Amino acid sequence: EIVLTQSPGTLSLSPGEGATLFCRASQSVSSSYLVWYQQKPGQAPRLLMYGASTRAAGIPDRFSGSGSGTDFTLTISRLEPEDFAVYYCQEYGSSPRGTFGQGTKVEIK
Amino acid sequence: QVQLVESGGGVVQPERSLRLSCAASGFTFNSYVMHWVRQAPGKGLEWVAVIWYDGSNKFYADSVKGRFTISRDNSKNTVYLQMTSLRAEDTAVYYCARPLRKMQTMGGGFLEWGQGTLVTVSS
Repeated sequence: EIVLTQSPGTLSLSPGEGATLFCRASQSVSSSYLVWYQQKPGQAPRLLMYGASTRAAGIPDRFSGSGSGTDFTLTISRLEPEDFAVYYCQEYGSSPRGTFGQGTKVEIK
Repeated sequence: QVQLVESGGGVVQPERSLRLSCAASGFTFNSYVMHWVRQAPGKGLEWVAVIWYDGSNKFYADSVKGRFTISRDNSKNTVYLQMTSLRAEDTAVYYCARPLRKMQTMGGGFLEWGQGTLVTVSS
């Protein structure tokens, strides 16, 4: 079973700053099957990125994704107030079960 | 527009059972694989179960295997999660989720989510 480890656990940043979030897989995964979600308190998660680097519909272009093999990155170029949330990566290529990372919280500094 | 509406959550004693429902609308339900995902209070997301678009295949997380059963009724556009032998560690918000792409297990990730229904297992 593939394990996804996200880092850091928490990012404390100010609006306007850039954020870089990491997702590391315990074994190589296809980038086609790596997705990112955003979740705000009291809300369901929202799909941000699929195929590691393709933005879902309506996601602003300040969000970008990259990576391959075992290392993937979600970058937010300039944080807007609405971007402070928890971010999860997920992999689903290795089995019908979709493994989530433990999440990275982006909080206001 | 696409809607997923979960129901059936509540407070239940350990070892008892509960059935969750997720009513879907706004899309061709019988063309999509459907999933349940849960989130314990203050914790991360945990994938729970999946059912093929025609109900022909089902898979479960190890933590619920043998206790939970996923099913669907395509005539009612509804997916269910029958939960038995409930434990305190099953306490969570349960979401149903639909992938971006039809006819694929999790193609493109989970685009559509319900609002969630809270299950609390406590004596």
